[in-house]
Amino acid sequence: QVQLVQSGAEVKTPGASVRVSCKTSGYGFTGYYMHWVRQAPGQGLEWMGWISPREATNYAPTFQGRVTMTRDTSISTAYLEMNSLKSDDTAVYYCAIQLGTSWYLDHWGRGTLVIVSS
Amino acid sequence: DIAMTQSPDSLTVSLGERATISCKSSQSVFFTTNNKDHLAWYQQKPGQPPKLLIYWASTRYSGVPDRFSGSGSGTDFTLTISSLQAEDVAVYYCQQYFHTPFTFGPGTRVDIK
Repeated sequence: QVQLVQSGAEVKTPGASVRVSCKTSGYGFTGYYMHWVRQAPGQGLEWMGWISPREATNYAPTFQGRVTMTRDTSISTAYLEMNSLKSDDTAVYYCAIQLGTSWYLDHWGRGTLVIVSS
Repeated sequence: DIAMTQSPDSLTVSLGERATISCKSSQSVFFTTNNKDHLAWYQQKPGQPPKLLIYWASTRYSGVPDRFSGSGSGTDFTLTISSLQAEDVAVYYCQQYFHTPFTFGPGTRVDIK
């Protein structure tokens, strides 16, 4: 079955960078977009962007210039890197995919908690 | 950006009763090219990732119980749980996927009375 396995929790200091990974299996990784969505503690969902099978990217304006999404086809893994971390970047970061015919997200990873604290 | 609002913020419903959640978008998410509303609903239980319930505003995703239904078009949408079960306690989010940045509503918490 489809699985999206994310890397473990991270604790970072303000100004640092973080990279979160999402290792996939059970579907054709090379054929589908990967999305990233974050959720601050007790808050709602915030779409961050997607990376296409051909590695084109579309970032939400909020994250433009601070986020980089990449993918490694050889190991069916996607990455989210965020720099210049601030305390309000503390959140759970989810990877998610759309196997359907449009942009609704039908499979999600379990999330990676990133804590930004001095 | 398309802003999404939901109401109520939370609701408490007796087991077996109907729960209704409203979602509104700041502009239409109906795409004339495919004649579909680009609106999805997700359920999120504590400590879990969101789970897709409904897409195209009214199409139930595979495996979703038929007590969940979606309706509406354009800018006004509704998620209905026809007979609330204990396992339906969760936060429900709508999302537009008509135009990037894809945006979510703030969520509606559903509890048992």
